[in-house]
Amino acid sequence: DSGVTQTPKHLITATGQRVTLRCSPRSGDLSVYWYQQSLDQGLQFLIQYYNGEERAKGNILERFSAQQFPDLHSELNLSSLELGDSALYFCASSPREGGNIQYFGAGTRLSVL
Amino acid sequence: GENVEQHPSTLSVQEGDSAVIKCTYSDSASNYFPWYKQELGKRPQLIIDIRSNVGEKKDQRIAVTLNKTAKHFSLHITETQPEDSAVYFCAASTRNRDDKIIFGKGTRLHILP
Repeated sequence: DSGVTQTPKHLITATGQRVTLRCSPRSGDLSVYWYQQSLDQGLQFLIQYYNGEERAKGNILERFSAQQFPDLHSELNLSSLELGDSALYFCASSPREGGNIQYFGAGTRLSVL
Repeated sequence: GENVEQHPSTLSVQEGDSAVIKCTYSDSASNYFPWYKQELGKRPQLIIDIRSNVGEKKDQRIAVTLNKTAKHFSLHITETQPEDSAVYFCAASTRNRDDKIIFGKGTRLHILP
């Protein structure tokens, strides 16, 4: 167990809907990263937050947004869902800023039907 | 921006033999290079990392080498065992800049009995 908690583990929804994925980082970790992993694909970096502020942005669609709350948990919001958004979404946390070990959660598997 | 190329995409080796996975990166400012192992259906887990001030790092059967001039780094696994079968991801990031971490597309390693 990495200490990073992601909920829910599985999510099934329909096209056009909106969902929220939640991540609780390891105790004391200030950085949270979000990744998308499609079938047989690598890890696509979406966005990073550090101590409540957006720190880095990757290939995140405009339909997606995220935030990190004062208690350091983070939420990834996916809206106007499309079939192609079906993927495994990982959250990872790190003690400080970049250049450090990332501890991954177990992921949320999103299926858009 | 940073781009990380990883080769091969699939690798099969006989149990007991060595496996080598290679990655190249484009941003000369990258200074942190982790390797993650992802077993089927599980989260990525860090197995070894190297910083730009070091040329080689070993941890039991695993070693990573870094050539800053050529901008490439490699993962070496010796005396491979069945439990080494997994997908391996390399990554590169630049600490103290935008903290973006870019992953390679992964190498699926099969250890043959």
